[in-house]
Amino acid sequence: EADIYQTPRYLVIGTGKKITLECSQTMGHDKMYWYQQDPGMELHLIHYSYGVNSTEKGDLSSESTVSRIRTEHFPLTLESARPSHTSQYLCASSDPGPGNYGYTFGSGTRLTVV
Amino acid sequence: QKEVEQNSGPLSVPEGAIASLNCTYSDRGSQSFFWYRQYSGKSPELIMSIYSNGDKEDGRFTAQLNKASQYVSLLIRDSQPSDSATYLCAVSKGSNYKLTFGKGTLLTVNP
Repeated sequence: EADIYQTPRYLVIGTGKKITLECSQTMGHDKMYWYQQDPGMELHLIHYSYGVNSTEKGDLSSESTVSRIRTEHFPLTLESARPSHTSQYLCASSDPGPGNYGYTFGSGTRLTVV
Repeated sequence: QKEVEQNSGPLSVPEGAIASLNCTYSDRGSQSFFWYRQYSGKSPELIMSIYSNGDKEDGRFTAQLNKASQYVSLLIRDSQPSDSATYLCAVSKGSNYKLTFGKGTLLTVNP
């Protein structure tokens, strides 16, 4: 059973608002990731973290920020939402073991900025 | 050249047929290879992983890896309409490296 949770599932918000997308996992994974995906398009990595107090920007430039104060929690914040931020945001985590066993994804947040 | 390339499709097969999905990657240092299935509007789910050259079978799914040719494929036997989804190929250089995803191949299985 996947134990990575994202809230909200859907969000419609006005331009200029500050929003935080929540992501939590109960699997004890050190590595967590945020991806952005537009319909029919590939996943783009926007942020990742390899542990508490460790965050890095991904391959796709993003105006969002992230924090990792606790192992299980990796929220993403947009200080001032714009229509260009409309997209699906996917959170993922991966096993802390020596190999790479792939990611487990949350159910995603579909964000619409009007 | 993109790091991970897939035929975008759509690939259409009749129910019961074998669906063959292909992926090439550019980084010869890649060590871990994954296939994800993504239904429309849903998040990706891991269906296969492969790390060594050769075939790996799991039920109706077979992943094939050829590192010399930098090629990984997924075969789905006895395709079902429920297999209709986008299949994403993902590649990593190792445990401390991020996954790089291809754009995905849309598969439609016709009843």
